[in-house]
Amino acid sequence: DQQVKQNSPSLSVQEGRISILNCDYTNSMFDYFLWYKKYPAEGPTFLISISSIKDKNEDGRFTVFLNKSAKHLSLHIVPSQPGDSAVYFCAPSSRRGGSNYKLTFGKGTLLTVNP
Amino acid sequence: ETGVTQSPTHLIKTRGQQVTLRCSSQSGHNTVSWYQQALGQGPQFIFQYYREEENGRGNFPPRFSGLQFPNYSSELNVNALELDDSALYLCASSATRTGADEQYFGPGTRLTVT
Repeated sequence: DQQVKQNSPSLSVQEGRISILNCDYTNSMFDYFLWYKKYPAEGPTFLISISSIKDKNEDGRFTVFLNKSAKHLSLHIVPSQPGDSAVYFCAPSSRRGGSNYKLTFGKGTLLTVNP
Repeated sequence: ETGVTQSPTHLIKTRGQQVTLRCSSQSGHNTVSWYQQALGQGPQFIFQYYREEENGRGNFPPRFSGLQFPNYSSELNVNALELDDSALYLCASSATRTGADEQYFGPGTRLTVT
């Protein structure tokens, strides 16, 4: 039973355009949502997060939107750069549910930004 | 400040064998979590160690076991290896056992079981 779904295995965009990566979840106990970026031969690195008490969090070119009623979040990258090419994972955790020690990852979306 | 390191980088084992993977946590971190990432999948939580004790466990059989040492480094042991154990094993350290949002990952160990 997949609790976190990233339904687009891959996404290709032109440099300078917007990249939108989507994530859906089923577990209503998730209350903190993280995005990780992973380059080949490296471990995932933290990118941006959002708490369930917010619906938007922005950090430079990266913005995450959370729609709790739809159990959906998205990561926007504007403008996209070739160095953003990587696999992006959505990884919620449950702080109030007592299992905030672990992350539950989606399968990831491979983003390719073409020059 | 050194980051999370893992050894070895790659490993090839035969079905039925046992394997030990190692992780050194980031300086100042007392909690280590292990994840398994199979091909085409996201990382799956195996277990977490906090101050040398298991703090939580995912849906993995008992043949997956771990240790944490007084210096907070950790080992993941897998007995009776199966072909499906072939995966990238990631170690992540954090400053607190509740800091799922503050986990720093190592580069992983690629295990191939033949």
